[in-house]
Amino acid sequence: DSGVTQTPKHLITATGQRVTLRCSPRSGDLSVYWYQQSLDQGLQFLIQYYNGEERAKGNILERFSAQQFPDLHSELNLSSLELGDSALYFCASSVADGSNSPLHFGNGTRLTVT
Amino acid sequence: GDSVTQMEGPVTLSEEAFLTINCTYTATGYPSLFWYVQYPGEGLQLLLKATKADDKGSNKGFEATYRKETTSFHLEKGSVQVSDSAVYFCALSDGRYSTLTFGKGTMLLVSP
Repeated sequence: DSGVTQTPKHLITATGQRVTLRCSPRSGDLSVYWYQQSLDQGLQFLIQYYNGEERAKGNILERFSAQQFPDLHSELNLSSLELGDSALYFCASSVADGSNSPLHFGNGTRLTVT
Repeated sequence: GDSVTQMEGPVTLSEEAFLTINCTYTATGYPSLFWYVQYPGEGLQLLLKATKADDKGSNKGFEATYRKETTSFHLEKGSVQVSDSAVYFCALSDGRYSTLTFGKGTMLLVSP
């Protein structure tokens, strides 16, 4: 058990809809990262927050947004969903935001857009 | 930009066989290198890491050496077990933050 909790485990929704994925980091971790895993693109970094502030941005679409709250949990909002957004979304956390700080991953949220 | 290339799988081995999974990278500067493992239905777990050239990371019988001259970080294990069946990801960190660039993953299947 990594200590990172993601909810829900599975989400099925229709095109055009909006969903929110939630992540609780490991106790004591200040950084939260979101990754998208799909068969064709592999694991893609979306966005990172550190202690409530956006720290780094990757291949995140404009239809997607995220935030980290004062209690350090994070939410990833996906809107105007398309079939191609179907993927496994992982949250990871780390103590700090340096390159030697290992990431601890949750078990992911599987999103299916129909 | 940074990138990681791994050998395509699946890699199919018998128990006690020797394992090598190749990984090469492209990066500016001096990245840290990682191997993560993903078991079915679970998130990724850090297997080992190396932060500078010629460092060797090791864990649970797995090893990988950071080779700057060949920009490689190949994963090896002398004797695999059925329980090692999983997907293995090579990754690098660009050094500014902990954001990781991953390879596409290599599935390992070990049969008894």
